[in-house]
Amino acid sequence: EVQLLESGGGSRQPGGSLRLSCAVSGFTFESYEMNWVRQAPGKGLEWIAYINSAGRMVDYADSVRGRFTISRGGGHSLYLQMTDLRVDDTAIYYCVRDVTGATFDYWGPGTQVTVSS
Amino acid sequence: SSELTQETAVSVVLGQTVKITCQGDGVSTYYPNWYHQKPGQAPLFVLYGKNNRAPGIPDRFSGSSSGDTASLIITSAQAEDEGDYYCNSRDNRQFGGGTKLTV
Repeated sequence: EVQLLESGGGSRQPGGSLRLSCAVSGFTFESYEMNWVRQAPGKGLEWIAYINSAGRMVDYADSVRGRFTISRGGGHSLYLQMTDLRVDDTAIYYCVRDVTGATFDYWGPGTQVTVSS
Repeated sequence: SSELTQETAVSVVLGQTVKITCQGDGVSTYYPNWYHQKPGQAPLFVLYGKNNRAPGIPDRFSGSSSGDTASLIITSAQAEDEGDYYCNSRDNRQFGGGTKLTV
């Protein structure tokens, strides 16, 4: 059974940093592209970061480029390093498997990030 | 690539058919994917390509496309189909704004 489980969410003040993790199981992690998608309170889905299966190609939404870094570890984990956090980064962050071409077939339950002063 | 536009809200009578649309310049080339999100839950993958259901999705869900508009069609809508529906572009990964479906 495919499973994704995010962790590392929490509360920070503006300008702070946070590192999200996503532990995956039930599939060959090295064979899949991965993404982070977020959802602000009462708002729609926003794709924010992508990494290819080899970990050598990444892409970001304009809203987070230069502040967030996506990476993947050999221990079946996906990461999102978040720096210079802003109030509008407050959202639920989802770890998402990409079966091919931005087709997001499995989602984790999400982890809450709150940025406020 | 372009932005994807969805209706804000759509309603359907129980057991009737409803169509939810996703409009954008690249839709006819890169058929969008569809996701269903119930309150407090993560999104669920529903449809991909022109008309392909994700595993476990009932056959009352189908897709169609015409010009720059793709549609998710629910035949004989059920109460459990309520929630938000999102399309996403396979070109630039962006999501449409979402459609709230009321049954």
